[in-house]
Amino acid sequence: AQSVTQLGSHVSVSEGALVLLRCNYSSSVPPYLFWYVQYPNQGLQLLLKYTTGATLVKGINGFEAEFKKSETSFHLTKPSAHMSDAAEYFCAVSESNNDMRFGAGTRLTVKP
Amino acid sequence: GAVVSQHPSRVICKSGTSVKIECRSLDFQATTMFWYRQFPKQSLMLMATSNEGSKATYEQGVEKDKFLINHASLTLSTLTVTSAHPEDSSFYICSAQASASYEQYFGPGTRLTVT
Repeated sequence: AQSVTQLGSHVSVSEGALVLLRCNYSSSVPPYLFWYVQYPNQGLQLLLKYTTGATLVKGINGFEAEFKKSETSFHLTKPSAHMSDAAEYFCAVSESNNDMRFGAGTRLTVKP
Repeated sequence: GAVVSQHPSRVICKSGTSVKIECRSLDFQATTMFWYRQFPKQSLMLMATSNEGSKATYEQGVEKDKFLINHASLTLSTLTVTSAHPEDSSFYICSAQASASYEQYFGPGTRLTVT
């Protein structure tokens, strides 16, 4: 079964600094990979997804992620953090239509 | 497009009572709906998967008699927490998936507090 590991439960950056949230996955078949953002007491909002094709995926709010099969990674980056980026971020992997597994989440704090 | 709603957004109930949470896909037909539970500062844990017109498939450790799931139409699934106890207090999130699609669209969640 597929699984996701998010390295770092809490990441803190300064406003304007690079954001890097790490995600490694395990899958027996080519995976579908997702990053979601969750603000307090809200549901999940899709940031970006990888299915097939180009390995560098661009998402909303200036985020992007690169699928690296050799490293089984799908790290999320943003060149310049904004205060509004402070939230919980979840990486997820799916091997089939009905089975999505989430990582433990990374809380991003942005310092002024 | 692809909007999923949940109702209520927050509910407080007394121990021993039952609570129903609705999940609706507003602009597409959801052949499959998923129910997740999220404890504070934790990730989402899949509780069950429901396909329209079929019985739900529950994850290991989830009591099907306690968490009743009904997916009677292509736009509505309900989760009923029966005989709720304080330990059932949690954030419940549903998601909906269209036929032949890998992507899940998430609802805004329901905060359940059992007193």
